[in-house]
Amino acid sequence: QEQLVESGGGVVQPGRSLRLSCVASDFTFNYGIHWVRQAPGKGLEWVAFISDDGATQHFADSVKGRFTISRDNSKDTVYLQMSGVSPADTAMYFCARYVVGVKGGYYFDLWGQGTLVTVSS
Amino acid sequence: FMLTQPHSVSESPGKTVTISCTRSSDSIGDSFVQWYQQRPGSAPTAIIYEDNQRASGVPGRFSASIDRSSNSASLTISPLQTEDEADYYCQSYDGTSWVFGGGTKLAVL
Repeated sequence: QEQLVESGGGVVQPGRSLRLSCVASDFTFNYGIHWVRQAPGKGLEWVAFISDDGATQHFADSVKGRFTISRDNSKDTVYLQMSGVSPADTAMYFCARYVVGVKGGYYFDLWGQGTLVTVSS
Repeated sequence: FMLTQPHSVSESPGKTVTISCTRSSDSIGDSFVQWYQQRPGSAPTAIIYEDNQRASGVPGRFSASIDRSSNSASLTISPLQTEDEADYYCQSYDGTSWVFGGGTKLAVL
């Protein structure tokens, strides 16, 4: 069964760093991958994107300069490196697969269950 | 740009409900609109992509469209079932950033 599994979340102090992982299983890992977060009781917020070959990356303004994204296709894994975190980064972090639709557009067709990041002193 | 959704809607089982998603700038037709369903405690799942295409396994009760005159997209569920109670998010993009609407909580009373 195709799935994405996130890990690496936990409690982290403000200003510190954390690395999240998103591991794919049961499908060929040649897709773009996004990170999307959801603060407690709030809506979805797009965070970052990496293309299938890692050459293209985009970030939300709220994390630009603090977060980086990378991937190791030999391990079917995408990473989100979070630095200089603040309480505003407290959220469930989901990774999602980006696939092409029938008209040539793209959408998030497969989501992981998320990993919770809590920024607190 | 922003995507604006009603905070909540409610309707009875068997009825029809429509959730709107209004784009704040540029045209709704400039990029495809997607819709995601999120049940409590679960990850989102795709229900509609490319404005009106149902994702795999999504029943025909779900449909969607865009309206250029109102610069909005809409998701329609008919007939409603109790299992449709969830949060619904529209989503689009501008080439380098992806935008979600604020979400609509659907209550099936």
